[in-house]
Amino acid sequence: AQSVTQLGSHVSVSEGALVLLRCNYSSSVPPYLFWYVQYPNQGLQLLLKYTTGATLVKGINGFEAEFKKSETSFHLTKPSAHMSDAAEYFCAVTPDTGRRALTFGSGTRLQVQP
Amino acid sequence: NAGVTQTPKFRVLKTGQSMTLLCAQDMNHEYMYWYRQDPGMGLRLIHYSVGEGTTAKGEVPDGYNVSRLKKQNFLLGLESAAPSQTSVYFCASSYSSVWSSYEQYFGPGTRLTVT
Repeated sequence: AQSVTQLGSHVSVSEGALVLLRCNYSSSVPPYLFWYVQYPNQGLQLLLKYTTGATLVKGINGFEAEFKKSETSFHLTKPSAHMSDAAEYFCAVTPDTGRRALTFGSGTRLQVQP
Repeated sequence: NAGVTQTPKFRVLKTGQSMTLLCAQDMNHEYMYWYRQDPGMGLRLIHYSVGEGTTAKGEVPDGYNVSRLKKQNFLLGLESAAPSQTSVYFCASSYSSVWSSYEQYFGPGTRLTVT
């Protein structure tokens, strides 16, 4: 069975600083990987996804993530944090099975300090 | 195009009461899912459906039932609510095509409190 580990339940950065949110996964088959963002009292919105091909994936709002198979990682980065980036971020994985359901990490809450 | 909608948005139940949460999608997706979100635990799959008339158990199905009588609707029922079912419930849907990349579209959530 697949699993997802997000290191750090809370991350705080200053506005303009680098954002790095960590995600490691385990999967018995090549995974599809996702980052979702959840703003307060809202549903989940897809930031970016890795399926096949280029391992550096660019998403919305200036975020990107790199799939590293050897490290089983899919860390999310943004060069310069903005106050509007404050939210909870979830990494998720799904293998190629009929169920298609996502397995989520426990989430990382990002705070951006002025 | 409303995407995925959920009703109600908020609900307070007493222990032992029953209720049904409705999820509707207008994207003609074959797959639909119910998740619950609890602090520090991410989202956990309750039940899912791969098509009209079919449902299956997820990771935490106990105490819940589901039905998918129409392709666009997926209902989640609580027959006898318990305080442990206090949570935020999310519905999601996705395409079944091999080219869909498994991306799921989420509703805004239902916040349920059981006292």
